[in-house]
Amino acid sequence: GESVGLHLPTLSVQEGDNSIINCAYSNSASDYFIWYKQESGKGPQFIIDIRSNMDKRQGQRVTVLLNKTVKHLSLQIAATQPGDSAVYFCAENYGQNFVFGPGTRLSVLP
Amino acid sequence: DAGVIQSPRHEVTEMGQEVTLRCKPISGHNSLFWYRQTMMRGLELLIYFNNNVPIDDSGMPEDRFSAKMPNASFSTLKIQPSEPRDSAVYFCASSFWGSSYNEQFFGPGTRLTVL
Repeated sequence: GESVGLHLPTLSVQEGDNSIINCAYSNSASDYFIWYKQESGKGPQFIIDIRSNMDKRQGQRVTVLLNKTVKHLSLQIAATQPGDSAVYFCAENYGQNFVFGPGTRLSVLP
Repeated sequence: DAGVIQSPRHEVTEMGQEVTLRCKPISGHNSLFWYRQTMMRGLELLIYFNNNVPIDDSGMPEDRFSAKMPNASFSTLKIQPSEPRDSAVYFCASSFWGSSYNEQFFGPGTRLTVL
């Protein structure tokens, strides 16, 4: 029979616009969260992290927002560039374990 | 620092053969993780070690898979016998457990194709 692949949500944005990528996590006990970027043919690369005692953290062109009430995490990328095209994963950490979300593919349009 | 090193980068083998994937974590890190990534299932944790001791291997698919960490600077993931459904990209990651932040650093992955 025909196999069904993992269909990644895709976000297409115009170069220069802001991107918002969302993630729902599963465990209310998770206390640390990371966003990873994975480019084609490479391993996931750390972008930004946030602890559960915070609701917002900013980096260079990136901001992570955490809403523990609804177990939601978002990654905002300002002035999206072609080099931002990749798959973005959120990961939640409890204990020593990390659980990764399915990922979102970001496509930057010229 | 060279980062996490994995070898080989690509492996093509025939069904039934033994496959050994290798990983050298970042020096000083005390935790090591093996992941598998496929289109079907995304990124899955197979097993992780802390101070060379396997802590959780519940993600290992079946007895054909085994992992070892004989010392702090080397780990192997072995598949015997290999099957076509094992075809995937296998990532190794390491981290320092005990710091305030537990970021995992990933290697470049080994792309395994089982014919």
